[in-house]
Amino acid sequence: GIQVEQSPPDLILQEGANSTLRCNFSDSVNNLQWFHQNPWGQLINLFYIPSGTKQNGRLSATTVATERYSLLYISSSQTTDSGVYFCACRMDSNYQLIWGAGTKLIIKP
Amino acid sequence: SQTIHQWPATLVQPVGSPLSLECTVEGTSNPNLYWYRQAAGRGLQLLFYSVGIGQISSEVPQNLSASRPQDRQFILSSKKLLLSDSGFYLCALGGRTSTNEKLFFGSGTQLSVL
Repeated sequence: GIQVEQSPPDLILQEGANSTLRCNFSDSVNNLQWFHQNPWGQLINLFYIPSGTKQNGRLSATTVATERYSLLYISSSQTTDSGVYFCACRMDSNYQLIWGAGTKLIIKP
Repeated sequence: SQTIHQWPATLVQPVGSPLSLECTVEGTSNPNLYWYRQAAGRGLQLLFYSVGIGQISSEVPQNLSASRPQDRQFILSSKKLLLSDSGFYLCALGGRTSTNEKLFFGSGTQLSVL
């Protein structure tokens, strides 16, 4: 089955810094999503992005499907951006999303 | 808009006791529903998913079961809890068409089996 790898596993930054999180996947996908899990456990869907580029405020994401990777950009980081960021992908005709192990982001004030 | 209700937020149960976690959704019809479990500091593990009333698919053999008695209700159960059932349980819903395939999560239940 499809393999999903996220990097880096951990990232510590000062408030105001920019960051790039990467998600590599081993096969073609028709569904790719980015999630943020805050320190209280709530999982928030950030982007549904099987291809192309999307932006939402300080966050943007780009998926290059032909090269099998997706990037999540966070600009001008705030302490509320702390948490774990997950990438999840799905191949055709499969209800399951395959999840990466996540990137734990800590933003220091 | 879609809303996912999941309760309780925290639960402490003795080993061997039964379990029932309920998830109800609003603002959508005929959704795909999912139960995930997350161990501390780990990723998400899909336990069950349902594409309709009475239709349950199990992804991991375990001590748990799931039921979908109504279109917008998804229940996770166990007859006898094990220590290894401890974890953070999340209910999620997803749409069926290409325009609503995003997955949305409830607030989760932190289960501690002692």
